[in-house]
Amino acid sequence: GNSVTQMEGPVTLSEEAFLTINCTYTATGYPSLFWYVQYPGEGLQLLLKATKADDKGSNKGFEATYRKETTSFHLEKGSVQVSDSAVYFCALSDDTGGFKTIFGAGTRLFVKA
Amino acid sequence: GAVVSQHPSRVICKSGTSVKIECRSLDFQATTMFWYRQFPKQSLMLMATSNEGSKATYEQGVEKDKFLINHASLTLSTLTVTSAHPEDSSFYICSAARTGRFSEAFFGQGTRLTVV
Repeated sequence: GNSVTQMEGPVTLSEEAFLTINCTYTATGYPSLFWYVQYPGEGLQLLLKATKADDKGSNKGFEATYRKETTSFHLEKGSVQVSDSAVYFCALSDDTGGFKTIFGAGTRLFVKA
Repeated sequence: GAVVSQHPSRVICKSGTSVKIECRSLDFQATTMFWYRQFPKQSLMLMATSNEGSKATYEQGVEKDKFLINHASLTLSTLTVTSAHPEDSSFYICSAARTGRFSEAFFGQGTRLTVV
């Protein structure tokens, strides 16, 4: 079945540091890939997405490229801010499952001033 | 993007009572909705898939008699936690699938249930 594996956290960075959160997936079909962010005590927010191979999703300085050859969708940001502290979930969804979303375990990011 | 509204956002109930959570797709029709559960500091786990006009499909290990799902219309699915116990306290999130040219699932804001 489909699955998502992402790097364990927590990840602690200083402000303006470079961020990478690794994510790899296993899927039988042709999934769409997502990164969601969850701030403390809140629900999910879609951060970015990519629907096909080589697509790059980007939003608020975050980027991720859909790499079919390596089945990866790593999240990057060139300069993190304290306000980026949150939990980040990599996820996939495809039409073989009626668009149910499979989530990775989540990576908690702490950014220090 | 499409909007999915979940209500209530927070609820506190006594042990033994039942709680109903609503999930509505506000600007599109959703033949399929999904219910997820998130324990503190953990990921979201799919509980069940709700299909309009038919019985829900539950994931392994989810008690269908405890978590009743009804998808009576193309814009509304409900999750009822029956005879709630403290261990049912969790964050519940729904999503609704919009199909068509730009198919995607959209998430509600979540409901934090506390059973005391």
